[in-house]
Amino acid sequence: DIVMTQSPDSLAVSLGERATINCKSSQSVLYNSNNKNYLAWYQQNPGQPPKLLIYWASTRESGVPDRFSGSGSGTDFTLTISSLQAEDVAVYYCQHYYSTPPTFGQGTRLEI
Amino acid sequence: EVQLVESGGGLVQPGGSLRLSCAASGFTFSSYSMNWVRQPPGKGLEWVSYIDSSTSAIYYADSVKGRFTISRDNAKNSLYLQMNSLRDDDTAVYYCARGWEYSGYVNDNWGQGTLITVSS
Repeated sequence: DIVMTQSPDSLAVSLGERATINCKSSQSVLYNSNNKNYLAWYQQNPGQPPKLLIYWASTRESGVPDRFSGSGSGTDFTLTISSLQAEDVAVYYCQHYYSTPPTFGQGTRLEI
Repeated sequence: EVQLVESGGGLVQPGGSLRLSCAASGFTFSSYSMNWVRQPPGKGLEWVSYIDSSTSAIYYADSVKGRFTISRDNAKNSLYLQMNSLRDDDTAVYYCARGWEYSGYVNDNWGQGTLITVSS
């Protein structure tokens, strides 16, 4: 199984500042045949189900604010929130979908 | 609007059984793969099981293989999870989630979840 490791486990950022969350996979999730990284990011607000933010490592889901961006390739990925808003307080998870089983990172708790 | 509503959760003794249901609406259910994903209290997300739109592909996490059975009824727009031989570590919120059209393991819509507590 591919192990997804996020860092840090928790992060405190001031309103308006940048937040950066890292995700590392134990093996590459880049498919050479289509040059796509099989990596997604989710946001889980308190008491709510997860919400899909980003897929293919860097493509925002429809309706997701452009302050959220994803980057990286192969085994190292980053979720960046360019200017933190109060509603961004949540736990963020990366997930690979390269193979079975799809696995999630342990989550990063983002606080203000 | 896509809606996924889970039901069937509750308290069950170790070794017991439970059947979860997920009622889908707002989209053509028969065209989408579906997943069950669980989250133990205060912990992270764990994928449990996948079923494709026609039931021709079904996969399970090793932790539930042989104990859980995923199924669907496209005529009833419903997804199910039969859970047998339940253990303490099956305690979690179970989410029904729609598979993304480009990769069924990506979940683009989630239900609110139903809590399963396995305890004597």
